[in-house]
Amino acid sequence: EVQLVDSGGGLVQPGGSLRLSCAASGFTFSRFWMTWVRQAPGKGLECAASINEDGSEKHYVDSVKGRFTVSRDNAKNSLYLQMSSLSVEDTAVYYCVRDQGLFQEWGQGTPVTVSS
Amino acid sequence: EVVLTQSPGTLSLSPGERATLSCRASQSVRNDYLAWYQQKPGQAPRLLIYEASNRATGIPDRFRGSGSGTDFTLTIIRLEPEDFAVYHCQQYGIAPRSFGQGTKLEIK
Repeated sequence: EVQLVDSGGGLVQPGGSLRLSCAASGFTFSRFWMTWVRQAPGKGLECAASINEDGSEKHYVDSVKGRFTVSRDNAKNSLYLQMSSLSVEDTAVYYCVRDQGLFQEWGQGTPVTVSS
Repeated sequence: EVVLTQSPGTLSLSPGERATLSCRASQSVRNDYLAWYQQKPGQAPRLLIYEASNRATGIPDRFRGSGSGTDFTLTIIRLEPEDFAVYHCQQYGIAPRSFGQGTKLEIK
């Protein structure tokens, strides 16, 4: 059974940093693209960052470019999102997703709140 | 970027009724790569439909996807109490992938 467990969210002040993690199991992690999808309170879904199988290709939504870095450790079956220079607009639930173009498997989500 | 517009924003119906949700794309979606997700409060989205009309594993046959090009529809025949949720459409045929803003299906 595919499992994705998100962690690392919390309350952070504007301008601060946070690192999200996702532990994957139940599939061959190194064979799949992975994506962080976020959802601001009461809003729709947004693909924030994606990474290919070996980490050599990354894509970001324009609003996070230069501030967020997606990475992975295939030996540990783990996905990460390093977030810096956070603003209130980054407040959202962040989901780790196995990416097959569409998104069949999702983590439970980890909430990030940016507030002073 | 392909903009997806979902309508209505909120749909109020009773159990047993038929629900029709619309998703309109700003340009034709390549290969009809259009998916529908269901999301309940406090939960992650769940994939219902892919490639416009194919039900994902374990999805009941009361969920029907249709459409092509720029106009897509999710129909839920005979609503069950557990079907009241938010529904999102997503296109994955043209980078960057994009989602609609969601339709809330609420109990009347």
